[in-house]
Amino acid sequence: AQTVTQSQPEMSVQEAETVTLSCTYDTSESDYYLFWYKQPPSRQMILVIRQEAYKQQNATENRFSVNFQKAAKSFSLKISDSQLGDAAMYFCAYRSPYGGSQGNLIFGKGTKLSVKP
Amino acid sequence: ETGVTQSPTHLIKTRGQQVTLRCSSQSGHNTVSWYQQALGQGPQFIFQYYREEENGRGNFPPRFSGLQFPNYSSELNVNALELDDSALYLCATRSGTGENSPLHFGNGTRLTVT
Repeated sequence: AQTVTQSQPEMSVQEAETVTLSCTYDTSESDYYLFWYKQPPSRQMILVIRQEAYKQQNATENRFSVNFQKAAKSFSLKISDSQLGDAAMYFCAYRSPYGGSQGNLIFGKGTKLSVKP
Repeated sequence: ETGVTQSPTHLIKTRGQQVTLRCSSQSGHNTVSWYQQALGQGPQFIFQYYREEENGRGNFPPRFSGLQFPNYSSELNVNALELDDSALYLCATRSGTGENSPLHFGNGTRLTVT
């Protein structure tokens, strides 16, 4: 069974600075998808960025980028020029490419990010 | 705004009771998944419905059941509530089952069992 581990329960960053959130996962599959979701106090899960395992190039979305190390099974999220609105819980998630119950998201326990003005 | 609406937002029930949570989504979103998020944890997959049939289930007992309707709304039913059922329940919908179709989450229903 696949597992996702986020070893940083809480992180803090100064506004305009850069922060990196860590995520490791375990799987025997060669093809899969990885995601970072943001959950603000409104509770809604918002997709931040996604990575397909077959792509060697790291995904980027504006101020958000990932460092995907497939051999090490590591998937970290870098937030550049941090803003107050970035404060939230961040969840790393894994998804198998198969359908049915295998196609659901497997989440880590999350990292609470605080942004200091 | 994702177009996914969950009701109610908060709910308090007593152990042993039954509860129904609801989710409505955009037209065309024929896949719906339900997740349970306990306090301080990441969401856990309960089950998924595609075109009104369950096509995937996580490690949850049969007292967790669901329905999906032709109008793209869905329900999560939990019988014989236990204290550990207290959690945030999230509904997520998409069009089809392929990865290229993004997943849209609702704001969740906070269930408290006393």
